[in-house]
Amino acid sequence: SQTIHQWPATLVQPVGSPLSLECTVEGTSNPNLYWYRQAAGRGLQLLFYSVGIGQISSEVPQNLSASRPQDRQFILSSKKLLLSDSGFYLCAWSPQTGPGYTFGSGTRLTVV
Amino acid sequence: GQSLEQPSEVTAVEGAIVQINCTYQTSGFYGLSWYQQHDGGAPTFLSYNALDGLEETGRFSSFLSRSDSYGYLLLQELQMKDSASYFCARLSYGQNFVFGPGTRLSVLP
Repeated sequence: SQTIHQWPATLVQPVGSPLSLECTVEGTSNPNLYWYRQAAGRGLQLLFYSVGIGQISSEVPQNLSASRPQDRQFILSSKKLLLSDSGFYLCAWSPQTGPGYTFGSGTRLTVV
Repeated sequence: GQSLEQPSEVTAVEGAIVQINCTYQTSGFYGLSWYQQHDGGAPTFLSYNALDGLEETGRFSSFLSRSDSYGYLLLQELQMKDSASYFCARLSYGQNFVFGPGTRLSVLP
């Protein structure tokens, strides 16, 4: 069966510090991968998605970046965090053809 | 545009039936999904409709009317554990799912 792992679960970082969140998927090949952000009590905003290794599409301009160094690994990064980067970050995967996403457990990031 | 509209909050009592509506813009529409998210947790997939009609999965059902650009999630025999936020998400041709703002359901004893 397919599983998705996301870590860390919580993170408190000072303004200006770097960020690296990692997501890995097991039990499937060539998944579509996604990074979403959710502000408190709000909907999900798509940040990045990837249909293959090295292929990254950005939905929203920001100081975040994403990379997919391996088929089942998706990384969200920032060189310098802003206060506005605080939120709940969710990684998700879907098959190349299929109606639903499976989300990771999320990372709650607080920038102080 | 791809915006979706859903009520921000719905309240119901245990054992009742509740319907959460979702309207969407029709341009390039392919299908509508529903997700459940408990506080502090990740969204979990509930259902997907690409064709008109009702899809039933246990106590939850999802309905789609493409001609009305409208769908709903129906929850029957409500339980306290159903208290959560529910999101509709629209799939467009050649694009990714876009999520609605979410509806917070409170189930009262």
